[in-house]
Amino acid sequence: DTEVTQTPKHLVMGMTNKKSLKCEQHMGHRAMYWYKQKAKKPPELMFVYSYEKLSINESVPSRFSPECPNSSLLNLHLHALQPEDSALYLCASSRPDILYGYTFGSGTRLTVV
Amino acid sequence: SQQGEEDPQALSIQEGENATMNCSYKTSINNLQWYRQNSGRGLVHLILIRSNEREKHSGRLRVTLDTSKKSSSLLITASRAADTASYFCATTRTGYSTLTFGKGTMLLVSP
Repeated sequence: DTEVTQTPKHLVMGMTNKKSLKCEQHMGHRAMYWYKQKAKKPPELMFVYSYEKLSINESVPSRFSPECPNSSLLNLHLHALQPEDSALYLCASSRPDILYGYTFGSGTRLTVV
Repeated sequence: SQQGEEDPQALSIQEGENATMNCSYKTSINNLQWYRQNSGRGLVHLILIRSNEREKHSGRLRVTLDTSKKSSSLLITASRAADTASYFCATTRTGYSTLTFGKGTMLLVSP
């Protein structure tokens, strides 16, 4: 299996809602990532998990809370988001040495209303 | 912050023509990678070139790397309408294990 699966594909949430984005991979990759991408912009790194431990948090607001329950799953919990948080959220995985690049999921298109 | 700068920002060509995109970066790197993104969906890894390599080929793709100029180019030969997408270069900085993406080039290939 050479895929990273993200659910849901689309999500609309109010500013008082709590929701979660899910990401799953079965490639044996031990590094997993969350990126945020605004329209016509490049992806920006949010979080990195290495061997199920959070290794990088790029000063992301606490309304975004990542979780890595096991080596195949990565979640992003969302709470009290703002309209400016609307974006495409991309999950990716890789070998820790990144020698073969990242494998990305197809993303979750999030709209905060 | 973004490390890479792609040039041009947008490129429009006809099917069968070659497309060349350039990328510049600022710091020393372990490797440079190119990704394709269709219609704002997930990115697809195209090719990786290590810092000690100068040129690499994969199918219709040719990548060059000039570490002295901190620049790379991606050549797509005999382009097809299906090549229409945004193309991003991404680097892993020396001592780091994460990718930093450039601003991207939007390629439009017309039939």
